[in-house]
Amino acid sequence: DAGVIQSPRHEVTEMGQEVTLRCKPISGHNSLFWYRQTMMRGLELLIYFNNNVPIDDSGMPEDRFSAKMPNASFSTLKIQPSEPRDSAVYFCASSKYLQGPSVAFFGQGTRLTVV
Amino acid sequence: SQQGEEDPQALSIQEGENATMNCSYKTSINNLQWYRQNSGRGLVHLILIRSNEREKHSGRLRVTLDTSKKSSSLLITASRAADTASYFCATVRANAGNNRKLIWGLGTSLAVNP
Repeated sequence: DAGVIQSPRHEVTEMGQEVTLRCKPISGHNSLFWYRQTMMRGLELLIYFNNNVPIDDSGMPEDRFSAKMPNASFSTLKIQPSEPRDSAVYFCASSKYLQGPSVAFFGQGTRLTVV
Repeated sequence: SQQGEEDPQALSIQEGENATMNCSYKTSINNLQWYRQNSGRGLVHLILIRSNEREKHSGRLRVTLDTSKKSSSLLITASRAADTASYFCATVRANAGNNRKLIWGLGTSLAVNP
């Protein structure tokens, strides 16, 4: 299996522009997580989907952030308009939701720089 | 918000020494997991310990769990330069129902010097 695939790996954009990050989870996994990681705030959960349905979006910073999961094999995280404080590494992770524990498999991340 | 707390925040040791990292959490848990993150990469799962387990081994890794103290420790024996990374603990809350998100600590940065 190719693992969780994120694109792009790096994104540099100007303040005010729209940014779309993409994620393909591992086939057969039915939970998907979007995280943001910075030195100051560590690893923050932004949103969590089970079976393509958002379960917990309490970590989404504000209305400028939105996430979709139209099917089991694709998700997007959109920031519109982007701001310099959005600069961070954004990770997507997937897991197989069972009655038991869920181990998360992470993508390589998208490093976003907003100038 | 982060629930777990790891200590120390940073640890520097010599190759061959053992490294011990600790994690504390606040609520009852279903399980606790340890992950490693190499610089510039995604997190990789290392080991999982369930709430009814007290100790678990995997290769050079040993994890303990004390639910009465709400704490866990990760021991890496005979460390190698390749173990240099950040280590994170994450918990799944007990009785979380449909919301089985992982609650993360801030991580311990381990440097193993050759």
